[in-house]
Amino acid sequence: DAGVTQSPTHLIKTRGQQVTLRCSPKSGHDTVSWYQQALGQGPQFIFQYYEEEERQRGNFPDRFSGHQFPNYSSELNVNALLLGDSALYLCASSLGPGANTEAFFGQGTRLTVV
Amino acid sequence: AQKVTQAQTEISVVEKEDVTLDCVYETRDTTYYLFWYKQPPSGELVFLIRRNSFDEQNEISGRYSWNFQKSTSSFNFTITASQVVDSAVYFCALSESHQTGANNLFFGTGTRLTVIP
Repeated sequence: DAGVTQSPTHLIKTRGQQVTLRCSPKSGHDTVSWYQQALGQGPQFIFQYYEEEERQRGNFPDRFSGHQFPNYSSELNVNALLLGDSALYLCASSLGPGANTEAFFGQGTRLTVV
Repeated sequence: AQKVTQAQTEISVVEKEDVTLDCVYETRDTTYYLFWYKQPPSGELVFLIRRNSFDEQNEISGRYSWNFQKSTSSFNFTITASQVVDSAVYFCALSESHQTGANNLFFGTGTRLTVIP
């Protein structure tokens, strides 16, 4: 049973560029959440997708956008990259969006902005 | 607003010692959920436990145990007879029930545990 898979694992981009990160949820899961984890910090919630809609958003600017596809996979897009966007981006999937559901995390995409 | 505090930034113990990782939380909700996750060097967050705010029973799973005390808003995690494989960063997280549209996990800053052989 495949867990949560993310691609790519590492990425280097130049300031001002755009980037797309991808996530495939664990089999049977229909909800995907994205988190940003800066070095030495805990993950911070970016947004969550359920039924192909953004259900909730954390304190992130509009440069961060996403999408969920009918097969429940998801993309995170970041426009106009800043040096401060360098972080580990984690995708989590769950069965339903409820507060009590267990979220399974992928290994993340390490984004470096130079 | 919610808040999770893990005051211990780094802890080092010698193998076979017991270690307790502290977690203190703040929330206005009466119904909420608390979690512990382990993050090994590979980066993936590994789920360890989930507790709801109405269940204050302590839980034991092998060498792991958790102590939930609403009176002090704490949810501490103890590893008994630590092993080198326990070396990782451990995160405590909170999810509030009013977030009915999403299971937004609010994480602490983590505690880096190093077990010395």
